Amino acid sequence: DAEITQSPRHKITETGRQVTLACHQTWNHNNMFWYRQDLGHGLRLIHYSYGVQDTNKGEVSDGYSVSRSNTEDLPLTLESAASSQTSVYFCASSESGRGRMGTQYFGPGTRLTVL
Amino acid sequence: AQKVTQAQTEISVVEKEDVTLDCVYETRDTTYYLFWYKQPPSGELVFLIRRNSFDEQNEISGRYSWNFQKSTSSFNFTITASQVVDSAVYFCALSRNQGGSEKLVFGKGTKLTVNP
Repeated sequence: DAEITQSPRHKITETGRQVTLACHQTWNHNNMFWYRQDLGHGLRLIHYSYGVQDTNKGEVSDGYSVSRSNTEDLPLTLESAASSQTSVYFCASSESGRGRMGTQYFGPGTRLTVL
Repeated sequence: AQKVTQAQTEISVVEKEDVTLDCVYETRDTTYYLFWYKQPPSGELVFLIRRNSFDEQNEISGRYSWNFQKSTSSFNFTITASQVVDSAVYFCALSRNQGGSEKLVFGKGTKLTVNP
């Protein structure tokens, strides 16, 4: 069955380190998204991509970067981890094209702790 | 501005009670989509329903039903005869139609606890 996976599921790192969170989907969806979930804020969009070599900033993109070299993967990199980036991170993908709204399906999440 | 408000932060009911989760949205778009997601204690986000702005018909799926009213900008979710397994955080979300892009704006969620 097609699915969306995230790894690692849990990560503890230190302030200042570079961290990469993986997201892999086998639905062949064009669109992929990264969100963070924090108490009191709900889910907020970090970055998104509508296809290979396409990446865009979301509302809370500072300190994060993404790259899309193939359809299946959208890794999220924290260039220099900060304690404020302690959060649960969700990856999502959807099946529609630009301007045609699809349904976003979410991965299981990665819990990141920055000490 | 695009905004989703879920005014009920937490709701607690006893099993078999009916419960309605409120969702009010703001958008200037004429075409938009509304969603509900469930986040059980295990943490994953489960898609429940998607509705487009041109379809105001209510929808029923088993014990779940959704009432979409454009006149009041609301998309409420009712669980009939609630069960303990319905305990979760429920999120309402709105698609943003900004320059042709596809973005979801989430409400802050309503935590539902169903007690046996």
